[in-house]
Amino acid sequence: DTAVSQTPKYLVTQMGNDKSIKCEQNLGHDTMYWYKQDSKKFLKIMFSYNNKELIINETVPNRFSPKSPDKAHLNLHINSLELGDSAVYFCASSPHRAGPRGYTFGSGTRLTVV
Amino acid sequence: DQQVKQNSPSLSVQEGRISILNCDYTNSMFDYFLWYKKYPAEGPTFLISISSIKDKNEDGRFTVFLNKSAKHLSLHIVPSQPGDSAVYFCAASISQAGTALIFGKGTTLSVSS
Repeated sequence: DTAVSQTPKYLVTQMGNDKSIKCEQNLGHDTMYWYKQDSKKFLKIMFSYNNKELIINETVPNRFSPKSPDKAHLNLHINSLELGDSAVYFCASSPHRAGPRGYTFGSGTRLTVV
Repeated sequence: DQQVKQNSPSLSVQEGRISILNCDYTNSMFDYFLWYKKYPAEGPTFLISISSIKDKNEDGRFTVFLNKSAKHLSLHIVPSQPGDSAVYFCAASISQAGTALIFGKGTTLSVSS
């Protein structure tokens, strides 16, 4: 059973489209995250939800909107996709305070905007 | 402003030798430091961590050393194996709500047989 699963794994879409990436965790964790790994390989935090409540919202364009229907799911919707949105997006989860074991990551969604 | 820095993008080591991966940080508020390993097309997986109150933590072939005065940590892998070839990310955290792990840029380790 996959602990943190993301769908789709690959997403190729045209500029201007709207797309969603879904994430689910079966670890019983309270907190979920979206990270972006850009072409420079940095893993940067975008959003974090704790029990469906937004607790971290980094400087991300308004075109990105996270949605957490329950604490096991955190989806990412992106409007009006731009070339610069091309990246690998990772979902992760953790207990409320991550502590020594940090986060459990999904396998990533590679988004390519053409 | 990079709070966690991995200044070596790559490292090549022969099988059986020691691999040393380095990481520097700037924020003295960090109280946990973690190493993650990442294979292509997979997500990062937790490898080992260390609390800021310790200076060494060991788990099998992996040892992490923390030098708080220098704001520096290192991961030692002994002996290195070809299966260790991956990207290694250093990460740091502040144990309070509303903060997230901050990652370095990663170091690609290649272990040749």
